[in-house]
Amino acid sequence: EDQVTQSPEALRLQEGESSSLNCSYTVSGLRGLFWYRQDPGKGPEFLFTLYSAGEEKEKERLKATLTKKESFLHITAPKPEDSATYLCAVQGGDNNDMRFGAGTRLTVKP
Amino acid sequence: GAVVSQHPSWVICKSGTSVKIECRSLDFQATTMFWYRQFPKQSLMLMATSNEGSKATYEQGVEKDKFLINHASLTLSTLTVTSAHPEDSSFYICSAPPRTGVTDTQYFGPGTRLTVL
Repeated sequence: EDQVTQSPEALRLQEGESSSLNCSYTVSGLRGLFWYRQDPGKGPEFLFTLYSAGEEKEKERLKATLTKKESFLHITAPKPEDSATYLCAVQGGDNNDMRFGAGTRLTVKP
Repeated sequence: GAVVSQHPSWVICKSGTSVKIECRSLDFQATTMFWYRQFPKQSLMLMATSNEGSKATYEQGVEKDKFLINHASLTLSTLTVTSAHPEDSSFYICSAPPRTGVTDTQYFGPGTRLTVL
């Protein structure tokens, strides 16, 4: 069965303090690994899709990387507006649905 | 990116009543849509896969007679919570992939907050 584990559960950073969020996964035949941002009371907002080990994608202060076992979401010089829950999900095998991790709640203090 | 809408954004109902939630793909056709449920401070749990023109596929432990799903057109799926009870109070979110049969990003609706009194 597909499994996604995110760590840490919560992360508090000072503005400008770079860090990384981890997503470890077990899936049969990975077709895609997805990162989403979710603000309270809202639906997830798409950030990145990674398809194969070694792939990297960047968007503003965020950079996502992928290995065969895990993905990292690196946040460089975060700002308070980056505060949100970051969700990781995988899609594998013949399934089109996604399996989500529990998320990392990021708080960036000014 | 593709846009998915949900209606209503929030609803409060009495125990025992039924509530219908709509999920629409606004600028693309979706033969498949997914329904998720999210409890406070927890992640999204897939409830069911909605297929246009055929029966929905439910995840293990989800009561198909309680959560009725209808996908009558390529842009609309509905989730009806029948005989709702307080334990059904949750955040319900739908999603849809813009392309079928290909690994692709799913776009999520804004969610519907259901509170059952």
